[in-house]
Amino acid sequence: GAVVSQHPSWVICKSGTSVKIECRSLDFQATTMFWYRQFPKQSLMLMATSNEGSKATYEQGVEKDKFLINHASLTLSTLTVTSAHPEDSSFYICSAQTAGYEQYFGPGTRLTVT
Amino acid sequence: RKEVEQDPGPFNVPEGATVAFNCTYSNSASQSFFWYRQDCRKEPKLLMSVYSSGNEDGRFTAQLNRASQYISLLIRDSKLSDSATYLCVVRNTGGFKTIFGAGTRLFVKA
Repeated sequence: GAVVSQHPSWVICKSGTSVKIECRSLDFQATTMFWYRQFPKQSLMLMATSNEGSKATYEQGVEKDKFLINHASLTLSTLTVTSAHPEDSSFYICSAQTAGYEQYFGPGTRLTVT
Repeated sequence: RKEVEQDPGPFNVPEGATVAFNCTYSNSASQSFFWYRQDCRKEPKLLMSVYSSGNEDGRFTAQLNRASQYISLLIRDSKLSDSATYLCVVRNTGGFKTIFGAGTRLFVKA
């Protein structure tokens, strides 16, 4: 299957700081990438859809000014959590979509805000 | 009603058992269907796509019934390593909207 990387795999930051997470499709081009959040023992929650060269589409209830998404190339999307707070602590997972609409997920980033 | 609903879990089965997961979706315009597997604290991994004609991959068989808006996954001869959460995924036309089911947890015991 296709390979998607995510960096960093885990991060601890202080409240009020910003954290950037990178998502890369390593062996295919992805015009569309997705960002999810998952709390313990809960299902994936789609945060936003990232399209290369255009603005991201955010799901209802997700603050676009807090979760900044940039999809600058066909292989890279970034999510920046601005002014992070403890309630933002979660498992953030990206996925990249192939031309056949299959989604391949990155390994996730575990964010802890202290 | 949720857009994608799965059997509530968890399923506890002995090794060698056959287990079936069901999933229903509400949007009749949905076009693509998948089963993913997620291990604890890991990312979901694509298990198989689901086609109208049904498809099989080793011990795994997936079926789609468009008329009933129903998807199933059958696992034969369960292994301990099959223990995971199985996610039903439905995508609408053009792949712009992906809906994940809440997942069904499977425990296979020796």
